[in-house]
Amino acid sequence: DTGVSQDPRHKITKRGQNVTFRCDPISEHNRLYWYRQTLGQGPEFLTYFQNEAQLEKSRLLSDRFSAERPKGSFSTLEIQRTEQGDSAMYLCASSMETQYFGPGTRLLVL
Amino acid sequence: GENVEQHPSTLSVQEGDSAVIKCTYSDSASNYFPWYKQELGKRPQLIIDIRSNVGEKKDQRIAVTLNKTAKHFSLHITETQPEDSAVYFCAASFRDDKIIFGKGTRLHILP
Repeated sequence: DTGVSQDPRHKITKRGQNVTFRCDPISEHNRLYWYRQTLGQGPEFLTYFQNEAQLEKSRLLSDRFSAERPKGSFSTLEIQRTEQGDSAMYLCASSMETQYFGPGTRLLVL
Repeated sequence: GENVEQHPSTLSVQEGDSAVIKCTYSDSASNYFPWYKQELGKRPQLIIDIRSNVGEKKDQRIAVTLNKTAKHFSLHITETQPEDSAVYFCAASFRDDKIIFGKGTRLHILP
């Protein structure tokens, strides 16, 4: 499969725990994006990278959220001290021009 | 700030009829307008896109129109089929940058 992949696909955690998600983009894509989607809403932009540089972060991305793309290939999104409001689908996308989405990681914070 | 408004939120269409979804955007610098289809539990999938130097684009039963002056763009699906039932999102971006999505239209194709 040469598409965008994400791991894990599902994560259940207790409030206060830290979680980390991984995204592997399409190999030749230099841009990588993170979005969050809650039920009945469109994806909301969180942050994006061009190669290893993080170029923009949304106001939605509180201090508890951090994203990295250390070698300009895969990316990780970490949420510290999770809250119930963090429950959502976390989508990754990559692009040269057109953004292609991964399957998402569904997070449930109990 | 950047904003994309999408209407209607729900649309029911008889199979074989046409469906139209309309969007407006706030950032006049936006130059790329993709449309995504999302089925329940699945990732958003690009179905068609248009850039600001083009007024209309068609791909089989799907067409998109763009009015830059009015900051409107629309998706047209003709001869609708049951497999067209899904949530459709319009979006706008600038410089192939982050995408700002509309809230989505849930399209029901009635038999």
